[in-house]
Amino acid sequence: EDQVTQSPEALRLQEGESSSLNCSYTVSGLRGLFWYRQDPGKGPEFLFTLYSAGEEKEKERLKATLTKKESFLHITAPKPEDSATYLCAVIISGGYNKLIFGAGTRLAVHP
Amino acid sequence: EPEVTQTPSHQVTQMGQEVILRCVPISNHLYFYWYRQILGQKVEFLVSFYNNEISEKSEIFDDQFSVERPDGSNFTLKIRSTKLEDSAMYFCASSENGQPGDTQYFGPGTRLTVL
Repeated sequence: EDQVTQSPEALRLQEGESSSLNCSYTVSGLRGLFWYRQDPGKGPEFLFTLYSAGEEKEKERLKATLTKKESFLHITAPKPEDSATYLCAVIISGGYNKLIFGAGTRLAVHP
Repeated sequence: EPEVTQTPSHQVTQMGQEVILRCVPISNHLYFYWYRQILGQKVEFLVSFYNNEISEKSEIFDDQFSVERPDGSNFTLKIRSTKLEDSAMYFCASSENGQPGDTQYFGPGTRLTVL
């Protein structure tokens, strides 16, 4: 069964304390891996798409990387406004464009 | 910047009633989707729609659900006879061309509460 697992479930950081979020996937064939940010009561906000192992994307304090089994979202020197739930999702071969989501990592950044 | 919009933001209904959730996808996008998120759970795929037809649907999307593009801008999800377990956030999304791996952009969601 195709599965997306994110860890940790929750992460508390001090402002400026860098860390990484993990998304591991067990799928039949990966067509794309997506990172979204979700604020409470809001819709997922697109961050990155990764298509192949070795690919990296950066945006401000965030950097996403992809291997054959997992993806990392690195957060460098986070600020309180980075507090949100970060969702990982995949599209698989033969899955048309159905996104399969992980449960997310709730990030809290404290001043 | 173009964005997906959804109305209403919150819908309260009685069990057994019909509800219609509305979405306006990004204007040049061709593929449309509905997802739902029960409180505290994962975002789940419901249905994808292209060229006035359903492309794919999940097991959740049973006969009580239907989708429609009634005009050139709106995309709707109808739940015919709501159940308590239909209470969730419903998100509409759209993508430009539907190619595998094409980015889906989400709306702000409609919170559906079934009493």
